[in-house]
Amino acid sequence: AQSVSQHNHHVILSEAASLELGCNYSYGGTVNLFWYVQYPGQHLQLLLKYFSGDPLVKGIKGFEAEFIKSKFSFNLRKPSVQWSDTAEYFCAFNSGGGADGLTFGKGTHLIIQP
Amino acid sequence: EAGVAQSPRYKIIEKRQSVAFWCNPISGHATLYWYQQILGQGPKLLIQFQNNGVVDDSQLPKDRFSAERLKGVDSTLKIQPAKLEDSAVYLCASSSSSTQYFGPGTRLTVL
Repeated sequence: AQSVSQHNHHVILSEAASLELGCNYSYGGTVNLFWYVQYPGQHLQLLLKYFSGDPLVKGIKGFEAEFIKSKFSFNLRKPSVQWSDTAEYFCAFNSGGGADGLTFGKGTHLIIQP
Repeated sequence: EAGVAQSPRYKIIEKRQSVAFWCNPISGHATLYWYQQILGQGPKLLIQFQNNGVVDDSQLPKDRFSAERLKGVDSTLKIQPAKLEDSAVYLCASSSSSTQYFGPGTRLTVL
């Protein structure tokens, strides 16, 4: 069955620390990969996505993610986090042309301490 | 541009009662999705519409859940009868391409 594994359910960092959130997917075919973020009291919104081409993709607010096909991974990174990055982060994927429903991981709750 | 609208935002019912949720997608978005997000989990797809046709309802518990999108715009999701395990946030999303835009969700509590 297809699934997404996010390794850390809760992460606490200090401002200016570097961030890496792990994501591994389980699926036998070609995938499209996404990171969504949910800030406190707000809707889920897209942070970045990968469909093809350069495996290093850049998103909003200084986030980036790298697709490593051999490891079925799509880890999210940010070199220096800010207090405003406190949020829930979800890794997801779908297959096909990109319009299919998403399979989400359980999410990582990130808390940034000032 | 207006986002995805959902109502109600909160609903509390007793088990065995019925409940309905409404979603108005972003104007022009042909694809509409309903997801269920149980506390501590990621969203799980329940059903996907393309215009007014169902694309995928493989994870919809059809004995109690139903959904429709009659005119290819608004959609309703119904649960009848509700069970305790249906307590969750029900998210609606819409897309015109590869990016799904999510609404604020309806938080359902079944007592």
